[in-house]
Amino acid sequence: DQQVKQNSPSLSVQEGRISILNCDYTNSMFDYFLWYKKYPAEGPTFLISISSIKDKNEDGRFTVFLNKSAKHLSLHIVPSQPGDSAVYFCAASAPNSGNTPLVFGKGTRLSVIA
Amino acid sequence: DTGVSQNPRHKITKRGQNVTFRCDPISEHNRLYWYRQTLGQGPEFLTYFQNEAQLEKSRLLSDRFSAERPKGSFSTLEIQRTEQGDSAMYLCASSPTDRAGNTIYFGEGSWLTVV
Repeated sequence: DQQVKQNSPSLSVQEGRISILNCDYTNSMFDYFLWYKKYPAEGPTFLISISSIKDKNEDGRFTVFLNKSAKHLSLHIVPSQPGDSAVYFCAASAPNSGNTPLVFGKGTRLSVIA
Repeated sequence: DTGVSQNPRHKITKRGQNVTFRCDPISEHNRLYWYRQTLGQGPEFLTYFQNEAQLEKSRLLSDRFSAERPKGSFSTLEIQRTEQGDSAMYLCASSPTDRAGNTIYFGEGSWLTVV
C-alpha cells in the first residue's frame, strides 16, 4: 500500500520555465512533508519541507504548496535550471503521532532542457 | 566534512556471503536510520535508532539483517547469507531528536551487488 504517491515518473521542462512536481498521500496522520533531490549514485539531499499548519513554504527558487483537504502537495521550481535535472522524492511523516520514519514516494525524474 | 559518512561505497559479493556496512552520522544527531533503495523505487525504511536503542524495524528487515549502534554513535548493518534480491543501495541517515518536524540527512549510500 503506497501511502505517498508520485504519479508522474518523469517530467521535461525547458530551462527558465516553471517545473511543477506533484505528490499525493493517503495517510491523514501525516503532518510533516519534505522534498528531496537525488543525483545518480548519490544519497538524497534535503530540499524543502512544510508542516501541516502551513499551506506554503518558499526557499529561493523552490516553493512547496500543501492542500490538506486534497491530501496533495506540489513542488514548484522557478526558473528551472539544467542543474535541477535529478530525481525528486516526496516524503511524509507523522512525528506528532509518534510515527517518526519518513515514508517516500517513488520519485519523479525531472529533466531541464537547455 | 561533517555529513553522514557511509562505507564501503560499493560492495560486490557472491551469493551466500555476509556483508557489513558502516555509517557514521552527523555528530550531534542522536537518531540514525537505515533505508534501502532499488531501481525505480523511493527509499524504503528498514530500521532506526535513538542513541543505542533500536526503536523500530520494518517488515523488510528479515532475520538475515541485523543492525547495531553499540555506543550510540556509528552503526553497522550486516546482511547474512546474501541473496540476489538484496542488491540495492543502502542508505543511512541521521537527525536530531524529533521536534515538530523530522528532517533527516542522508549519506552517499552503499551500493551492494550480489552475484
